[in-house]
Amino acid sequence: ILNVEQSPQSLHVQEGDSTNFTCSFPSSNFYALHWYRWETAKSPEALFVMTLNGDEKKKGRISATLNTKEGYSYLYIKGSQPEDSATYLCAPRGTGRRALTFGSGTRLQVQP
Amino acid sequence: DAMVIQNPRYQVTQFGKPVTLSCSQTLNHNVMYWYQQKSSQAPKLLFHYYDKDFNNEADTPDNFQSRRPNTSFCFLDIRSPGLGDAAMYLCATSRTGLSVNEQFFGPGTRLTVL
Repeated sequence: ILNVEQSPQSLHVQEGDSTNFTCSFPSSNFYALHWYRWETAKSPEALFVMTLNGDEKKKGRISATLNTKEGYSYLYIKGSQPEDSATYLCAPRGTGRRALTFGSGTRLQVQP
Repeated sequence: DAMVIQNPRYQVTQFGKPVTLSCSQTLNHNVMYWYQQKSSQAPKLLFHYYDKDFNNEADTPDNFQSRRPNTSFCFLDIRSPGLGDAAMYLCATSRTGLSVNEQFFGPGTRLTVL
């Protein structure tokens, strides 16, 4: 899978705001989509792995949806907190391929 | 805690001087990956080891080599670093047979080339 696009590139919100990001990818040969959160000076941390069209995953205030037919995934953060400040990376994986192809990420900054 | 460790966290080298970055893991995963991330760009896969089998990406420059002496350790060697090789280098691991090949990452080594 090539040409993974994430938007916006960066986002500044106030504490308490809800926000969402988009990950777009080619829909052919889709196998799975991974979302990672990467805080400065830490390891990228897995948030979700999604495989089925229509999948919805939730972890606390963060949720994600997947549309494999049109090739996109949304990540939502409800009531953003300063500790949500990080870069959010999506990485689809194609069938027959072991490795992930990453987007360039959305950098979120939450102001107290 | 089981984890992926990268040393050093910051590495400074001179133009043309060979440098080695190291990665170790306590997860006992059979696959290890090296990614390169340049400023604000997507992490790009350089190569990976599936057990002892080395898998190079087609567009990885020959300047980049890797060694995996055992399951736990993997090294990235840059034979003659250029200014364009300054980047964050991420190591990751996964285990085949686990659901959808989730990858676990180290914190990265930031390489500066003077």
